[in-house]
Amino acid sequence: DAGVTQSPTHLIKTRGQHVTLRCSPISGHKSVSWYQQVLGQGPQFIFQYYEKEERGRGNFPDRFSARQFPNYSSELNVNALLLGDSALYLCASSLLLAGWNNEQFFGPGTRLTVL
Amino acid sequence: DAKTTQPNSMESNEEEPVHLPCNHSTISGTDYIHWYRQLPSQGPEYVIHGLTSNVNNRMASLAIAEDRKSSTLILHRATLRDAAVYYCIVKTVLCLTNSKLTFGKGITLSVRP
Repeated sequence: DAGVTQSPTHLIKTRGQHVTLRCSPISGHKSVSWYQQVLGQGPQFIFQYYEKEERGRGNFPDRFSARQFPNYSSELNVNALLLGDSALYLCASSLLLAGWNNEQFFGPGTRLTVL
Repeated sequence: DAKTTQPNSMESNEEEPVHLPCNHSTISGTDYIHWYRQLPSQGPEYVIHGLTSNVNNRMASLAIAEDRKSSTLILHRATLRDAAVYYCIVKTVLCLTNSKLTFGKGITLSVRP
């Protein structure tokens, strides 16, 4: 079975530009979460979507937005890019919204570099 | 979610057991302890989780202290493929509104051949 897939693998943008990152969850998973991982740090939670609705938001500015489509795939959008947005963006899918045994399955990530 | 404290790094020899410690002194009675690991150039992957009793699965064992203020992830025979960053995460399930995981810096495990 295919795991979580993300596209593109790598991306280079300049300051002020906009970027869209895409994620396809594992088949049957209705929840998608997005994380940002800066070099040398653990992943930081950005959003969770479940059944096309936002169900959790981390401490990120309004420049970050996301949405989930009827097929449960998701997009993460970042506007007005800053140098500090350079990071690995990870998508995770899960079967449930929440729960003690709700394992998160992560994709390989999209490496975003802002110049 | 409760805060966790892990050493920055640890080294082990191949085919020897590895004990990765984690302190979580502010854990509450309904918090679960999860471990994820991140191999180089990959996203994190689930390893194991537990509440009070020690847990075993095909990847590892989780030993939880009686007072639950600390836990230890045990890899019974380390292989070179186990070299990764291991994250200890304490997750409250009282508020079942999302699946947010709060990662720290984790512990970097190096395995010597």
